[in-house]
Amino acid sequence: GAVVSQHPSRVICKSGTSVKIECRSLDFQATTMFWYRQFPKQSLMLMATSNEGSKATYEQGVEKDKFLINHASLTLSTLTVTSAHPEDSSFYICSARGTGPRTPQHFGDGTRLSIL
Amino acid sequence: AQTVTQSQPEMSVQEAETVTLSCTYDTSESDYYLFWYKQPPSRQMILVIRQEAYKQQNATENRFSVNFQKAAKSFSLKISDSQLGDAAMYFCAYRSALLYGNKLVFGAGTILRVKS
Repeated sequence: GAVVSQHPSRVICKSGTSVKIECRSLDFQATTMFWYRQFPKQSLMLMATSNEGSKATYEQGVEKDKFLINHASLTLSTLTVTSAHPEDSSFYICSARGTGPRTPQHFGDGTRLSIL
Repeated sequence: AQTVTQSQPEMSVQEAETVTLSCTYDTSESDYYLFWYKQPPSRQMILVIRQEAYKQQNATENRFSVNFQKAAKSFSLKISDSQLGDAAMYFCAYRSALLYGNKLVFGAGTILRVKS
């Protein structure tokens, strides 16, 4: 089946560092990619939706300058957490879909981000 | 806007028994998809079952089946012959079929514990 690869799986870094998370679709063209944030025992919170070659659409309350999303190709999207602080520590999950309204959505395995 | 409600924060089931997880949703659309996702402690998102709103027949996948009541906007998940590996957080999700690139709307989730 379709696979979405997300790297890294775990990041621990100092406050003030910028962290980049990659999301790749391995065997299909991901026209649309989604980035989620999840706190322990809570649901997935959609941060932004990106379409290849276009600017990402951010959900209300998500800081665009803090969470930079790039979707430059049909197989790669990146989320950069700029100048990360401890409150940015969380589990981040990407997801990707191909072309067409009835195509399934595939999830990466997530990235656990810890800011010291 | 669409909403998904899971009213059971936690459920327990004895191994080999049957358990039903509840989900209701609110939408004014007639064409949409409903999903159940499983998230084990590894936090990988696993698609359990999918239902297309225009199909009256309830979806089944081995031990997993749904009771889809479109008029009542209800979409419950039944797990038969529960196994220890079924222990996880389960999310009900909705997605419109009308718009390209549309997003998944998740419920708050239900933690399922399986007792041996």
